[in-house]
Amino acid sequence: DVKVTQSSRYLVKRTGEKVFLECVQDMDHENMFWYRQDPGLGLRLIYFSYDVKMKEKGDIPEGYSVSREKKERFSLILESASTNQTSMYLCASTPGGASREQYFGPGTRLTVT
Amino acid sequence: QKEVEQNSGPLSVPEGAIASLNCTYSDRVSQSFFWYRQYSGKSPELIMSIYSNGDKEDGRFTAQLNKASQYVSLLIRDSQPSDSATYLCAVATISNFGNEKLTFGTGTRLTIIP
Repeated sequence: DVKVTQSSRYLVKRTGEKVFLECVQDMDHENMFWYRQDPGLGLRLIYFSYDVKMKEKGDIPEGYSVSREKKERFSLILESASTNQTSMYLCASTPGGASREQYFGPGTRLTVT
Repeated sequence: QKEVEQNSGPLSVPEGAIASLNCTYSDRVSQSFFWYRQYSGKSPELIMSIYSNGDKEDGRFTAQLNKASQYVSLLIRDSQPSDSATYLCAVATISNFGNEKLTFGTGTRLTIIP
């Protein structure tokens, strides 16, 4: 069974703080993705990675950065959290391209106050 | 213009009836299409994928694809209360650097009425 884990289910941070969200998958998948999900806006891609140390911007990368130093771990960084980054953050991984099934983690509900 | 559009719903269907969910997409070169189901408070899970024009059946689920009309749909036969969830349409598109990514619609919330 593929397992994708995220570091926290719920997180509360203050405006201006640096925030790290971590995602780990245990199936040696090459590709990893970070999304945020907001009511009425659906799932939107923030960043993705097709290999270690490789990253590509998604549709809404502003205010975010990522790090992938090891194949199994993909981190999302909010350099200076803002209230409009309050959201559900979902990580996903897939063994091939995006055309393969994406396995999602349980999500992190981030609240920025 | 949104790249992937779905009827936002909510959609209510009596138990045992057919639920029909629709999705249109704008990128004509897309070749891969997916339906994910998301229960409240849970993560999305893949239920159907379709790559060729026509119908693809898996149990009570049928995905339909019409690339000429840029339309993909999901039919759920003999709807059960356990089918109550939000259904997300996703389309594989190519990024500016030639990598594949998924673009999701906003989802359709389906409620099956016992």
